[in-house]
Amino acid sequence: KQEVTQIPAALSVPEGENLVLNCSFTDSAIYNLQWFRQDPGKGLTSLLLIQSSQREQTSGRLNASLDKSSGRSTLYIAASQPGDSATYLCAVRQGGATNKLIFGTGTLLAVQP
Amino acid sequence: DAGVIQSPRHEVTEMGQEVTLRCKPISGHNSLFWYRQTMMRGLELLIYFNNNVPIDDSGMPEDRFSAKMPNASFSTLKIQPSEPRDSAVYFCASSFHRVGSYEQYFGPGTRLTVT
Repeated sequence: KQEVTQIPAALSVPEGENLVLNCSFTDSAIYNLQWFRQDPGKGLTSLLLIQSSQREQTSGRLNASLDKSSGRSTLYIAASQPGDSATYLCAVRQGGATNKLIFGTGTLLAVQP
Repeated sequence: DAGVIQSPRHEVTEMGQEVTLRCKPISGHNSLFWYRQTMMRGLELLIYFNNNVPIDDSGMPEDRFSAKMPNASFSTLKIQPSEPRDSAVYFCASSFHRVGSYEQYFGPGTRLTVT
């Protein structure tokens, strides 16, 4: 059974720092991995999607990497801003016909001004 | 596009009452998902549909929960009878299911409180 874990559970950094969020999964047979952001009391916003054949994806200050064989993904945020404060979730889609996403436990990020 | 639309945004009901949550997916999307989020269990998939057909309902907690998708633009999640432990945020998401792209887009959620 696929299990997705995110470390750390919470992170506080001063504004301007570069930071890395980690996501690990137990079954490497994934189709893709998606990173989401969730603001308090809100829904999830998709940030980046990495296909299993890809190594990384970039969008603005965000860079996500994927090492499928080791069951790991990282989300790198450059020059963090207070507006980046949110909970970040990773989710994996298993291979095959299923369209299910298995979510990680999330990392609560606070960027201090 | 307006994105995924859910209603109501908040629902407070008494134990034993029937609750119906509604979702309108993004136009053109052919997959729809219902999730539940709690502090204890995080985000859990309850059920998903492809082309209006339920594909996997293994996450539905028990017979009190049912979901329907009568057409491509509307889905409901019903809880009858509701219990306090059903209190959670319920999200609906949609995607366009095709090879190479399964990105899911989430609605704002319905916060359900059962007293």
